[in-house]
Amino acid sequence: GAVVSQHPSWVICKSGTSVKIECRSLDFQATTMFWYRQFPKQSLMLMATSNEGSKATYEQGVEKDKFLINHASLTLSTLTVTSAHPEDSSFYICSASQGRTEAFFGQGTRLTVV
Amino acid sequence: DAKTTQPPSMDCAEGRAANLPCNHSTISGNEYVYWYRQIHSQGPQYIIHGLKNNETNEMASLIITEDRKSSTLILPHATLRDTAVYYCIVRVGGGRDDKIIFGKGTRLHILP
Repeated sequence: GAVVSQHPSWVICKSGTSVKIECRSLDFQATTMFWYRQFPKQSLMLMATSNEGSKATYEQGVEKDKFLINHASLTLSTLTVTSAHPEDSSFYICSASQGRTEAFFGQGTRLTVV
Repeated sequence: DAKTTQPPSMDCAEGRAANLPCNHSTISGNEYVYWYRQIHSQGPQYIIHGLKNNETNEMASLIITEDRKSSTLILPHATLRDTAVYYCIVRVGGGRDDKIIFGKGTRLHILP
């Protein structure tokens, strides 16, 4: 299957700082990318959907000024957690899709805010 | 909200077929059924998808009922490596309304 690379795999940051997570589709052009957050023993929660060149569509309850999503090209989307706090510690996962084809997921980024 | 319901957990003996059910009674005519699985601390892995015909690939088979209100994922010869949480998802695919919403999934335990 297609490859979606997410970087970094894990990151520890201090409270109040910002963290950027990258999501790349390595062998296809991703017209749509999805960003998820997953807490322990829970399912994936959709945070936002982004289409290349357009502003991201955020799910209800997700602060767009805190979780900045940029989908500047067909192979790269970034999620920036701004002014991170310990409650933002979670497993963040991206997914990339080309139109009606199946979506492929990155390996996830474990964020720990101390 | 997820448009699918699945049993929270299932057991299957190693080497036997694992049959995972999914109800999606409100599925629309243009929505596909997708199956993914997630092994602990990894991103979900695509398994299979279909619209109304049964589908088979190297990983699994997907059986969709004629009314499309339910489906079954079949892992023909389960191994210990198939222990994971399996998610059934309905998705339009493509366009501005495209979303992939995860339900709680089924935790499949393969027993040696």
